[in-house]
Amino acid sequence: GAGVSQSPSNKVTEKGKDVELRCDPISGHTALYWYRQSLGQGLEFLIYFQGNSAPDKSGLPSDRFSAERTGGSVSTLTIQRTQQEDSAVYLCASSFWTSGRNEQFFGPGTRLTVL
Amino acid sequence: GESVGLHLPTLSVQEGDNSIINCAYSNSASDYFIWYKQESGKGPQFIIDIRSNMDKRQGQRVTVLLNKTVKHLSLQIAATQPGDSAVYFCAELYTGNQFYFGTGTSLTVIP
Repeated sequence: GAGVSQSPSNKVTEKGKDVELRCDPISGHTALYWYRQSLGQGLEFLIYFQGNSAPDKSGLPSDRFSAERTGGSVSTLTIQRTQQEDSAVYLCASSFWTSGRNEQFFGPGTRLTVL
Repeated sequence: GESVGLHLPTLSVQEGDNSIINCAYSNSASDYFIWYKQESGKGPQFIIDIRSNMDKRQGQRVTVLLNKTVKHLSLQIAATQPGDSAVYFCAELYTGNQFYFGTGTSLTVIP
């Protein structure tokens, strides 16, 4: 069984360009999270999808950030008009609750560099 | 010149010694906590979790202690090995399914 995969692994873009980051969760996981991790920092929650429910977008830092999850599986995080402060590693995780435990499985992340 | 920015707390231990990593959480209403290990260039990996109705939970070589009075979590690693070198994060389940992560502690195991 494959784990969570993310693509691209690295993305370098120019300020003002749009970028799309992709996450393939583990099959059958109903929950999907996006986080941002700046150098030497903890994980900053961005957005959460659970099944067919409306996503929790409360962590998105600005309206330049959006995400969608198609068919309850693959998710894309889009950053429009990128800024230098958007440079970070973007991590995706999928999870399920079982026996009162929520084990999030993380992908390797996409390292975004905005020049 | 001097770099500006936050620095991860660091812990260095001798191979074979026990390690204790501490974490203060923010919300007294949080009822579920997880410790993660993150190796360089990889995503975080689940280590152990604990619910707020417990104050201790043990896994393989790891123990998590929860002190709700002072909102404090600790992760104890027994007989630390070089492969334990990583950044360790605690996470609290704050509302619904939104997890808040600490800034992490960098553990270095000296052979």
